Amino acid sequence: DAGVIQSPRHEVTEMGQEVTLRCKPISGHNSLFWYRQTMMRGLELLIYFNNNVPIDDSGMPEDRFSAKMPNASFSTLKIQPSEPRDSAVYFCASSFGELGGNTIYFGEGSWLTVV
Amino acid sequence: DAKTTQPTSMDCAEGRAANLPCNHSTISGNEYVYWYRQIHSQGPQYIIHGLKNNETNEMASLIITEDRKSSTLILPHATLRDTAVYYCIVKSGANNLFFGTGTRLTVIP
Repeated sequence: DAGVIQSPRHEVTEMGQEVTLRCKPISGHNSLFWYRQTMMRGLELLIYFNNNVPIDDSGMPEDRFSAKMPNASFSTLKIQPSEPRDSAVYFCASSFGELGGNTIYFGEGSWLTVV
Repeated sequence: DAKTTQPTSMDCAEGRAANLPCNHSTISGNEYVYWYRQIHSQGPQYIIHGLKNNETNEMASLIITEDRKSSTLILPHATLRDTAVYYCIVKSGANNLFFGTGTRLTVIP
């Protein structure tokens, strides 16, 4: 079975440019999560969706970040304008169900470098 | 969600069992214990989870104490490919996983 699919895997962009990261969750999953990982802060949740609706976006750093989930099989995380401090690995993850025992599966990440 | 405490790092000889401890003394009745690992440059990989009973799968065993305040992840025969950061997480509901700093396991040849 295909896991969580993210694109691009690697992106290098100049400060001020718009960056769009994409995610395809596992088919049938109804929750989707965007995480960011840096050396300083570790893995932290940015936003999560349930049934395509944003439930908790308290981790989104600032207005430059936005996330959408137009349908159950696709989500985007956009940074506009990008800054060097946004350089990180961005992980998308998905799960099915509402209970504590539902397992969250991660993609391989998008490595973003802003120069 | 309850906090967890793990040792910063551990070594294990190749072929031996790796026992990774985790304390979660404030865990509540509806919180599950999850273990993930992250191998360098890869996404976090699900290993195993449990609520009250011990669990075993093809990757590992999870031993949860009767009072549920601590648990141990056991990799029965560690290989070099098991070198990774291992995260113990307690979770309730469909929400987020709160990742701490984990245990950096190094398997030594």
